[in-house]
Amino acid sequence: DAGVTQSPTHLIKTRGQQVTLRCSPKSGHDTVSWYQQALGQGPQFIFQYYEEEERQRGNFPDRFSGHQFPNYSSELNVNALLLGDSALYLCASSLSRWGNTEAFFGQGTRLTVV
Amino acid sequence: AQSVTQPDIHITVSEGASLELRCNYSYGATPYLFWYVQSPGQGLQLLLKYFSGDTLVQGIKGFEAEFKRSQSSFNLRKPSVHWSDAAEYFCAVALTDSWGKLQFGAGTQVVVTP
Repeated sequence: DAGVTQSPTHLIKTRGQQVTLRCSPKSGHDTVSWYQQALGQGPQFIFQYYEEEERQRGNFPDRFSGHQFPNYSSELNVNALLLGDSALYLCASSLSRWGNTEAFFGQGTRLTVV
Repeated sequence: AQSVTQPDIHITVSEGASLELRCNYSYGATPYLFWYVQSPGQGLQLLLKYFSGDTLVQGIKGFEAEFKRSQSSFNLRKPSVHWSDAAEYFCAVALTDSWGKLQFGAGTQVVVTP
């Protein structure tokens, strides 16, 4: 089992550009959540996708958007990049039901905006 | 407002000594509680979780945590620290109806000295 995989691992973009980050969930998981972790801070919830729809969203502007595909993989898109968008972007997958489930995190994509 | 607080930004501990990391939360109801560990440049690994039942929870790598409802706390402990425990530790909470949306504390950086 490959676990949660994210691509790319590192990315450098210029202010104003657009970026797409990708995530493949752990086998058997149907829910994908995205988090932004700025340097020296804890991860902040961006949004969550289930059944190809955004189920809930954190306090992030509309520049942040996403998509989930039928195979449960997901993309995070950020438009009009700002310097403040520089961060580690983490993807987490889980099952849609609670119980003894947990969120599994990928290694993250380090985005640097210059 | 709902919050997760990790009062200690940085802790230095000698190898072989005990470790305790503090976590307090402020929510209307008892949330689900988690501790994650993050090594440099890596994603998050779940150490342990509390949903209900026994308030002393055992996790991986020799860690345990105790839930105290009266203090709204979920402190992480390890009796004897190894050099490989040097990392950043995050406490996280999820509301029972939040479908796995995690709110993280700011983290505690643990340094292990010989």
